[in-house]
Amino acid sequence: GAVVSQHPSRVICKSGTSVKIECRSLDFQATTMFWYRQFPKQSLMLMATSNEGSKATYEQGVEKDKFLINHASLTLSTLTVTSAHPEDSSFYICSAAPGGAFTEAFFGQGTRLTVV
Amino acid sequence: AQSVTQPDIHITVSEGASLELRCNYSYGATPYLFWYVQSPGQGLQLLLKYFSGDTLVQGIKGFEAEFKRSQSSFNLRKPSVHWSDAAEYFCAVGALVGGGADGLTFGKGTHLIIQP
Repeated sequence: GAVVSQHPSRVICKSGTSVKIECRSLDFQATTMFWYRQFPKQSLMLMATSNEGSKATYEQGVEKDKFLINHASLTLSTLTVTSAHPEDSSFYICSAAPGGAFTEAFFGQGTRLTVV
Repeated sequence: AQSVTQPDIHITVSEGASLELRCNYSYGATPYLFWYVQSPGQGLQLLLKYFSGDTLVQGIKGFEAEFKRSQSSFNLRKPSVHWSDAAEYFCAVGALVGGGADGLTFGKGTHLIIQP
């Protein structure tokens, strides 16, 4: 099956610094990638949708200047949490969907971000 | 806007007993429906999906789900649970946008506890 690799799996950073999370589709080209956020013991909330070569579309309430998304190639999307604060601590999960007819999006393993 | 309701936050089942997890959705058109399982600190694993056709869908690990349009439901079932099934289960609904995948809307999840 299709594999999506997310890196790092865990990261701890100091408040005020920026953190980059990578999401790679290993065996298919991902026309669209999605970024989700999951608070402890809660559901996943869609943050943004990115299409290769174009600007990401952010969900209402998500700060695009804080959560920078780049989808520069068909196999890589990155999420950068800028000027991180403790309230940004969360579990971030990406998913990637191939182009063409809709099938499904494949999820990465997630990244646990802790801001101290 | 689409939404997913999982009315049961926690469910406790004895090992070997049958299981049914409820999911109701709200969506204006034909939805694409998914069930995922998540172990603590892990990403999501797809159990099964419904796009069209036969309304009874078979998935991995002995799970099945039935799409009932009249009830806007997509309940997950397993005839006999195993201790390894203890996890968080998420129902999700997706859409087709411009011929490609759209981000998923997740339910709040059901925490499954297995009693020995």
